[in-house]
Amino acid sequence: GENVEQHPSTLSVQEGDSAVIKCTYSDSASNYFPWYKQELGKGPQLIIDIRSNVGEKKDQRIAVTLNKTAKHFSLHITETQPEDSAVYFCAASSWSYQLTFGKGTKLSVIP
Amino acid sequence: NAGVTQTPKFQVLKTGQSMTLQCAQDMNHNSMYWYRQDPGMGLRLIYYSASEGTTDKGEVPNGYNVSRLNKREFSLRLESAAPSQTSVYFCASSDEIGGGVWELFFGEGSRLTVL
Repeated sequence: GENVEQHPSTLSVQEGDSAVIKCTYSDSASNYFPWYKQELGKGPQLIIDIRSNVGEKKDQRIAVTLNKTAKHFSLHITETQPEDSAVYFCAASSWSYQLTFGKGTKLSVIP
Repeated sequence: NAGVTQTPKFQVLKTGQSMTLQCAQDMNHNSMYWYRQDPGMGLRLIYYSASEGTTDKGEVPNGYNVSRLNKREFSLRLESAAPSQTSVYFCASSDEIGGGVWELFFGEGSRLTVL
């Protein structure tokens, strides 16, 4: 089955700096890569996703990149703000309703 | 717009007790899931239901049972709770939004402590 590795497990950045979270996946058939944000005491919520036929996708201050050859994808957050502090999960799936999640990254943005 | 609703939000059990976590969604989704979240372990799938009338085991099904009561409701039962089942449980639902893409919608979680 699919295996998703996520790094780092914790990340601290100064407000205004950029943050990058990286994930690798094992199943070359995976074709959908979402990112979820979990705020304290809440359930995870989809913030951005990318499909295997796209190399990069942006939505305001967040962007995802995908390298299918290397089987890795990354989340980039620019101009970080305190409200970006949360746990972020990457995930992967292949034409399926089942997502395999990474173990999560706790991002802390220091004012 | 409630989305995915889980009850209870908090529960304390003694070892050996049983309980059921309830989940309901109002988005007319076909698929529903139960995950557990433990520190450093991410989200692990316990059971899922691809559609009404079907259920399948996920990554960590031991010690749990599920019931897909109807299209809206999916319950998770612990028959004899163990301390290892202390966790935060999340219910989720999804439907295909095109091109083999399924977006998950999560509830707010149920924090279970087994003493």
